[in-house]
Amino acid sequence: AQSVTQPDIHITVSEGASLELRCNYSYGATPYLFWYVQSPGQGLQLLLKYFSGDTLVQGIKGFEAEFKRSQSSFNLRKPSVHWSDAAEYFCAVGPFGLTGGGNKLTFGTGTQLKVEL
Amino acid sequence: ETGVTQTPRHLVMGMTNKKSLKCEQHLGHNAMYWYKQSAKKPLELMFVYNFKEQTENNSVPSRFSPECPNSSHLFLHLHTLQPEDSALYLCASSQEGNSGSDEQFFGPGTRLTVL
Repeated sequence: AQSVTQPDIHITVSEGASLELRCNYSYGATPYLFWYVQSPGQGLQLLLKYFSGDTLVQGIKGFEAEFKRSQSSFNLRKPSVHWSDAAEYFCAVGPFGLTGGGNKLTFGTGTQLKVEL
Repeated sequence: ETGVTQTPRHLVMGMTNKKSLKCEQHLGHNAMYWYKQSAKKPLELMFVYNFKEQTENNSVPSRFSPECPNSSHLFLHLHTLQPEDSALYLCASSQEGNSGSDEQFFGPGTRLTVL
């Protein structure tokens, strides 16, 4: 069965500092990996995704993530955090390839990011 | 309207009420999903519809009844709910194709409170 672990429930960083959010996954086939962000009262917005090619992927809002197959990780990074980045971040894994039944993503429990001014 | 919309945004209902949540996607996608988001728990996939056919029912109690009349609309009919059903209900859509599934686009959710 597929699973996603986000070991940090809460993270606090100062504005302008760098950020890394951890994500480890368990998946038996080629994974399709995602990072989503959720602001209070909102749905999830896709930051970036990876399924093949360059293991360092760039996303929106200055975020990037690196896929490391040997470590089963897909950590999210940002060099300089802005106060508006305060939100909850979710890592997800799903099957890549024809599924015929919709993309059944498995989500982590999320990491709540607080930004100190 | 663009993206995925959900109505109502907030709903308070008693345990004996019947209500429905509505989701509409304006992206031309062919797959739609209902998720339940409770505090401190991962998103729980409830139902998946692909080309209007239900392809997944993730052991959801029968007091939740989905309906997908066409590929753009998805409903979740609620009846005799329990207080533990209070949560944020998220709708999402994606495009299934010959090369596989693409990312899911989410609506803003309906915050449901069951008294």
